[in-house]
Amino acid sequence: AQSVAQPEDQVNVAEGNPLTVKCTYSVSGNPYLFWYVQYPNRGLQFLLKYITGDNLVKGSYGFEAEFNKSQTSFHLKKPSALVSDSALYFCASNTNAGKSTFGDGTTLTVKP
Amino acid sequence: DTAVSQTPKYLVTQMGNDKSIKCEQNLGHDTMYWYKQDSKKFLKIMFSYNNKELIINETVPNRFSPKSPDKAHLNLHINSLELGDSAVYFCASSDDLLYEQYFGPGTRLTVT
Repeated sequence: AQSVAQPEDQVNVAEGNPLTVKCTYSVSGNPYLFWYVQYPNRGLQFLLKYITGDNLVKGSYGFEAEFNKSQTSFHLKKPSALVSDSALYFCASNTNAGKSTFGDGTTLTVKP
Repeated sequence: DTAVSQTPKYLVTQMGNDKSIKCEQNLGHDTMYWYKQDSKKFLKIMFSYNNKELIINETVPNRFSPKSPDKAHLNLHINSLELGDSAVYFCASSDDLLYEQYFGPGTRLTVT
């Protein structure tokens, strides 16, 4: 069975500092991995994905993620955090059977 | 134009009632989903539809019945509502089972 884990419920960073939101996965076959962001009282928004190719993928709003097959990780990163990045972040994986699995979410708080 | 829309945005009803939530996407996608987000913000897939065919039914009670009249619409009907059904329900769509999903704004269901 596939699973996605986000080991941190909460990440706090100061504005201007780099941020990392962690995700590890367990899937059979090739992983299709995604990051989504949810702002309060809104639906989830797609940020970026890894399907194949370069291990470093770039997405919206200056976010990027690094796929690491040996560590089965797909951490979300941003070089310089903004207060407006404060939100709930979800890591997810898909299978071609239509099953999408989401992590429990990590609340990112960026303080001025 | 809203890519994925849901109606209603809020739904307050009493236990035992039957209610429906509608979802429409104008992205031309073949795949649509229903998710439930509970009070702790955990997100769980309920159903996946591909080309109007039910692909995934994730141990959801029979009181929940999705219906897809065409590829652009996926409605959710809930019979005999229970207190535990209170949650935010999200509709989503994607171009393919493996690709990123686009979420609607959510329907906040409160059962009293």
